[in-house]
Amino acid sequence: AQSVAQPEDQVNVAEGNPLTVKCTYSVSGNPYLFWYVQYPNRGLQFLLKYITGDNLVKGSYGFEAEFNKSQTSFHLKKPSALVSDSALYFCAVRGPGNNRLAFGKGNQVVVIP
Amino acid sequence: NAGVTQTPKFQVLKTGQSMTLQCAQDMNHNSMYWYRQDPGMGLRLIYYSASEGTTDKGEVPNGYNVSRLNKREFSLRLESAAPSQTSVYFCASSEGDSRYSGNTIYFGEGSWLTVV
Repeated sequence: AQSVAQPEDQVNVAEGNPLTVKCTYSVSGNPYLFWYVQYPNRGLQFLLKYITGDNLVKGSYGFEAEFNKSQTSFHLKKPSALVSDSALYFCAVRGPGNNRLAFGKGNQVVVIP
Repeated sequence: NAGVTQTPKFQVLKTGQSMTLQCAQDMNHNSMYWYRQDPGMGLRLIYYSASEGTTDKGEVPNGYNVSRLNKREFSLRLESAAPSQTSVYFCASSEGDSRYSGNTIYFGEGSWLTVV
């Protein structure tokens, strides 16, 4: 079985401060990990993914994520949050040989001006 | 760039009515998916099609049917709608068979369905 945990329902951060959205996963074998962002009344937009190689992955809109195999984590980070980053963020995992992507429940990020 | 297009955007149904959600992608992707999104539950896979001519059940297939009409199109049908099917539905696609690679799944803009 494969699963994702996003432990915080909502993350509040002041504009200009670092933003971190946490994600831990459970999967058999090496994982494929993804982050998506969803703005109100819109579909999910792909931010970044980890397949193999460098543990630090850079993505769209200044976001990056760090894969930590020992902690089974893939936290999303942004050095300086913008008000426009306020959205719902989803972490997802797929195990090798599995066509299904398992999503976490999502984290609401609120960036306070 | 159209990407994944799904219709209708909004729909209200009465219990017992039927309807079909349409989806088309213009990225020449082999795999297509239908998800539903409910508050606090993330996205759950209803059905997917790894390639043209094949369909498979996901986590929550009951009450739904799908048709992979051709490589571009993948429709979702509710034969007898129930209030529990009130949700936001997302169609998605990915290049190739994603079982053996890290292919990215791309999503449509969603269809808001209310069953009263």
